[in-house]
Amino acid sequence: AIQLTQSPSSLSASVGDRVTITCRASQDIRSALAWYQQKPGKTPNLLIYDASSLETGVPSRFSGSGSGTDFTLTISSLQPEDFATYYCQQFDSYPWTFGQGTKVEI
Amino acid sequence: EVQLVQSGAEVKKPGESLKISCKGSGYRFTGYWIGWVRQMPGKGLEWVGIIYPGDSDTRYSPSFQGQVTISVDKSISTAYLQWSSLKASDTAIYYCVRRPFSYGPVPGFDYWGQGTLVTVSS
Repeated sequence: AIQLTQSPSSLSASVGDRVTITCRASQDIRSALAWYQQKPGKTPNLLIYDASSLETGVPSRFSGSGSGTDFTLTISSLQPEDFATYYCQQFDSYPWTFGQGTKVEI
Repeated sequence: EVQLVQSGAEVKKPGESLKISCKGSGYRFTGYWIGWVRQMPGKGLEWVGIIYPGDSDTRYSPSFQGQVTISVDKSISTAYLQWSSLKASDTAIYYCVRRPFSYGPVPGFDYWGQGTLVTVSS
């Protein structure tokens, strides 16, 4: 199975900061990657699909990039409501797998 | 409005069987994949499996193959996740998810159910 490794596992940031989370795949997954946000006690929410496409309704401060094995989720200016855990997921081959998550804290 | 509405929380004993459900509405049920994701207490997300209601094509994660069964009843736009013999390690929140069918950009899980908490304890 393809392994996804996110870094860092957690980070501390302030409102207004630019935040970057990386996701590295154990093999080439082309652009078959999605990013999700999960707030405590809430359902995950799709942010980015196909590595760089913004899901409808998601603020434009979120962006995704990368292809192959290295991917990035960027939050251009962190807002109070962005403090959450972020997960990447690959859809290139079964079994579809998630990264271990990155917790963004104040 | 697209909705995935899951059945309520369950408390079961080890060895018991269970079937939880996920009802889709607001879209053409047979045109989208519907699947399940597990989240154990305080842990990350794990993909369980997925089914295409149009033809019942089903895929499982090897971690869950043989441990659960995914099925669908198209007539009532409902998907199911079932266990024949629960273990304490099955304790988790189970989310149902929808995934568009696409020949182009690779989609993600665009809608999630509210989650069903399954607690297995003697």
